[in-house]
Amino acid sequence: DPKIIQKPKYLVAVTGSEKILICEQYLGHNAMYWYRQSAKKPLEFMFSYSYQKLMDNQTASSRFQPQSSKKNHLDLQITALKPDDSATYFCASSQPGQGAGNTLYFGEGSRLIVV
Amino acid sequence: DAKTTQPDSMESTEGETVHLPCSHATISGNEYIYWYRQVPLQGPEYVTHGLQQNTTNSMAFLAIASDRKSSTLILPHVSLRDAAVYHCILRPNSGGSNAKLTFGKGTKLSVKS
Repeated sequence: DPKIIQKPKYLVAVTGSEKILICEQYLGHNAMYWYRQSAKKPLEFMFSYSYQKLMDNQTASSRFQPQSSKKNHLDLQITALKPDDSATYFCASSQPGQGAGNTLYFGEGSRLIVV
Repeated sequence: DAKTTQPDSMESTEGETVHLPCSHATISGNEYIYWYRQVPLQGPEYVTHGLQQNTTNSMAFLAIASDRKSSTLILPHVSLRDAAVYHCILRPNSGGSNAKLTFGKGTKLSVKS
């Protein structure tokens, strides 16, 4: 059973619209992250949250807004979608901190296509 | 700035033992060496990590050079399921809550039957 659930797995959206990508983790972790992978590019870090608070934001655009309603949820709201936003978005989780035990575990991704 | 250097691709045959090299000449004393692998349409999968000593788990053996400037991920008896892109990543252990992993292109491992 997957411990990090991302919904939807696939999504087609129209330019200018708004979508929310859902992420729930059942690993008991207190830190969650979002990464993005565009076609044939390496994974790119976007956000990190610890105990539902934003710790790091490497996303230049304010169109991307994480939302944490519960400690095991970190959704990603994307507004005013553009074709360049087309990518697979991966959610990950870990225990907070950077110690050896704080390995990141990834979900299976939400593949977004903007037309 | 690429902190690790890996070959773009490697080929192997089922049943072989594969050695995936990673060079990290500028590694800092507080940086861990992490390995992840990724197959198409799936998220990265944790393989192993180490700091100074060699480590082993059910997936792989990680050999770390004594000067820590290079490491080798050893996959015993590879199967078709081991075909993936393998990423060698340095991750600081300096406290705080930022556990950002920086992925590069990795090594694409092909496995023939």
